[in-house]
Amino acid sequence: AQSVTQPDIHITVSEGASLELRCNYSYGATPYLFWYVQSPGQGLQLLLKYFSGDTLVQGIKGFEAEFKRSQSSFNLRKPSVHWSDAAEYFCAMRSGGYQKVTFGIGTKLQVIP
Amino acid sequence: DAEITQSPRHKITETGRQVTLACHQTWNHNNMFWYRQDLGHGLRLIHYSYGVHDTNKGEVSDGYSVSRSNTEDLPLTLESAASSQTSVYFCASSPSGTSVDEQFFGPGTRLTVL
Repeated sequence: AQSVTQPDIHITVSEGASLELRCNYSYGATPYLFWYVQSPGQGLQLLLKYFSGDTLVQGIKGFEAEFKRSQSSFNLRKPSVHWSDAAEYFCAMRSGGYQKVTFGIGTKLQVIP
Repeated sequence: DAEITQSPRHKITETGRQVTLACHQTWNHNNMFWYRQDLGHGLRLIHYSYGVHDTNKGEVSDGYSVSRSNTEDLPLTLESAASSQTSVYFCASSPSGTSVDEQFFGPGTRLTVL
């Protein structure tokens, strides 16, 4: 079965520290992968996406993610976190030619001064 | 600017009542989706549509229905609201085709069923 796993439900980091949010997927081929961010009371906004080519993908707001086929992972990173990055982050996967997307359960990021 | 809107943003209803949540997009996207978001479950797909008069069930479709009479709108109906349907509902849309386009999300509707 296709699935997306985000093993960390909550993460707390200090402002200025680096960040890595984990995402693992289960799918028989190379999926299309996305990271979305959701600020409180808002809808989801796309941070970045991967479907082929360079395995290191740059996104908005200084985020990047690396696709590792051998580990079935698509971890999100940011070198220096800002207080405004506090939000919930969702990893998502679109498999094959279907438009349906499977979401992980989300990781809530707290940023402390 | 093109956008996707949902109404109402907040709704309180009683068990057994019929409720309809509206979703309207002005991108002229063929694909539209309804999700519910619950703590510990992330977003789960309720129904989706790949075009006018096309509707499909998602993973949690029981108790919900949709209809697609035009490109812009995909209303979600709860036939007989249940307390288990208290949730935040998100509508999304995406263009058709083979390109890997992301889904664009509306702001959400918070539904409480008492």
